[in-house]
Amino acid sequence: GAGVSQSPSNKVTEKGKDVELRCDPISGHTALYWYRQSLGQGLEFLIYFQGNSAPDKSGLPSDRFSAERTGGSVSTLTIQRTQQEDSAVYLCASSSVAADTQYFGPGTRLTVL
Amino acid sequence: EDQVTQSPEALRLQEGESSSLNCSYTVSGLRGLFWYRQDPGKGPEFLFTLYSAGEEKEKERLKATLTKKESFLHITAPKPEDSATYLCAVQAGGTGNQFYFGTGTSLTVIP
Repeated sequence: GAGVSQSPSNKVTEKGKDVELRCDPISGHTALYWYRQSLGQGLEFLIYFQGNSAPDKSGLPSDRFSAERTGGSVSTLTIQRTQQEDSAVYLCASSSVAADTQYFGPGTRLTVL
Repeated sequence: EDQVTQSPEALRLQEGESSSLNCSYTVSGLRGLFWYRQDPGKGPEFLFTLYSAGEEKEKERLKATLTKKESFLHITAPKPEDSATYLCAVQAGGTGNQFYFGTGTSLTVIP
């Protein structure tokens, strides 16, 4: 079956622009996570969605970051007024239930010039 | 504070030279420990989940073990295709959505 997909695979933007990153989880998976992976750093948790519950936004680094999940499936991570320090690989993962193995997408490499 | 530390940061092995990667953790109420493999430019690929001390899991040349403070990923007779970064993650107790990742061990297997 299809795995987690993310788009775009690469995004280059100018400082101050807004970007949207998309994640399509595995069909039927109710839990969805966003992480950020910077060079030499471990995966940094950003936000978590579980079913229709309110998302856990505790990992979002600033109010420039937001995410939504429509219809319990596709999720979009939005970064407003991008800064150079936002450059990283943004990974999405999904799992069938909250406390279960996460399956990752290939990531979106974001470069802010 | 919940945290995960992996060692070594990088490891170079000759093909066939067995070794182990370490993942030490401090977490309040471990619910699960996960090992992933990550190839350059790709997302992490799931390998194993361990839930309790003493548990072991095997897959081909890899074996993962778990104690109350650390986990080891043993690689037996590695091949060049085993070259990758190996990530360890722990799931803390509570709501179940807190996962903490280590920075990984970059493994290079030389033919």
